[in-house]
Amino acid sequence: DIQMTQSPSSVSASVGDRVTITCRASQGISSWLAWYQQKPGKAPKLLIYTASNLQSGVPSRFSGSGSGTDFTLTISSLQPEDFGTYYCQQAKSFPVTFGQGTRLEIK
Amino acid sequence: EVQLVESGGGLVQPGGSLRLSCAASGFTFSSYAMSWVRQAPGKGLEWVSSINFSGGDTYYADSVKGRFTISRDNSKNTLYLQMNSLRAEDTAIYYCAKDSDTAWQKDYWGQGTLVTVSS
Repeated sequence: DIQMTQSPSSVSASVGDRVTITCRASQGISSWLAWYQQKPGKAPKLLIYTASNLQSGVPSRFSGSGSGTDFTLTISSLQPEDFGTYYCQQAKSFPVTFGQGTRLEIK
Repeated sequence: EVQLVESGGGLVQPGGSLRLSCAASGFTFSSYAMSWVRQAPGKGLEWVSSINFSGGDTYYADSVKGRFTISRDNSKNTLYLQMNSLRAEDTAIYYCAKDSDTAWQKDYWGQGTLVTVSS
């Protein structure tokens, strides 16, 4: 199975800050990586697919990069509504696996 | 507008069974793979099972293989998850998700249905 490891596990940042979350795969997954945002009590929401493609309707302050084993989700200018937990997910092979999540708190 | 509405969750005793349903609308259901993902209380996301557009190919997490069965009825735009031999560790919110046309990335999710396995 492909293990997905996110860092940090939690982060606290101020409005306007640039925030970066990383995701590492235990083996190469090409660009088969998605990023999701989940707010408390809500379903996850797709932000980025195939490592760097912005899902329709997602603000352009979100961006994704990387390929192979190392990936990054960047929020260029943090907004109050960006709080929540962020998950990466590999889509290269079954079993599909998610990272453990990164909790983002607004200072 | 894509809508996924899960139903069928509830309280069940260990060893019992439940069948979850997911009613889909707003897209051509028969053209897309679908998945179930669960989230135990206070925990992260765990993929459970996926099915291709026709229902001919199914995939399961090791934790549910042999106990859960995913299926779909394209004439009814509905996805199912039959859960047998339920265990306490199956307690979770179960989300139905539509897979995008680029690999197994989930572009739409339902609101989830809670399954509680307890005596």
